[in-house]
Amino acid sequence: SQTIHQWPATLVQPVGSPLSLECTVEGTSNPNLYWYRQAAGRGLQLLFYSVGIGQISSEVPQNLSASRPQDRQFILSSKKLLLSDSGFYLCAWSVRSDQPQHFGDGTRLSIL
Amino acid sequence: EDQVTQSPEALRLQEGESSSLNCSYTVSGLRGLFWYRQDPGKGPEFLFTLYSAGEEKEKERLKATLTKKESFLHITAPKPEDSATYLCAAAINNDMRFGAGTRLTVKP
Repeated sequence: SQTIHQWPATLVQPVGSPLSLECTVEGTSNPNLYWYRQAAGRGLQLLFYSVGIGQISSEVPQNLSASRPQDRQFILSSKKLLLSDSGFYLCAWSVRSDQPQHFGDGTRLSIL
Repeated sequence: EDQVTQSPEALRLQEGESSSLNCSYTVSGLRGLFWYRQDPGKGPEFLFTLYSAGEEKEKERLKATLTKKESFLHITAPKPEDSATYLCAAAINNDMRFGAGTRLTVKP
């Protein structure tokens, strides 16, 4: 069966520090991969999605970036965090874009 | 503009009191309508996929239905463990557009 791992679960970072969140999927090949941010009481905002190694589409211009160095690995990064980057970050995978997405347990990011 | 709107924002029910959650969508080229359950501090958990108007899916106390403009999640005789936020999402091309969710609380 397929599983998705996302870490860390919580992270507290100072403003201006770098960020690296990692997500890996097991049990499937060539998945679509997604990074979302969820603000309190709001829906999920798609940040990046990838349909293959090295292929990244950005939905929201900001100081975040994503990379997919391996088929089942998706990384969310920032060189300098802003206060507005605080939130709940979720990684997800799907077989195709019209198929259900399956989510990790998320990372709660707090910027001080 | 593609939009997915859920109502109500919050719903409080007594155990056993059936109700429905609404998800209305205005999108071009709907490729699927999805329902998820999200518990606090967790990622959304997939419940149902609906692909065409008139389609229905059931799982325990939940039933999802789809029309050309909206989807309903019917909850029959809910229990306290059904308390969660329920999200709907519309698949459009390579995008999945999520609603803001309905926070359901079921009191014993």
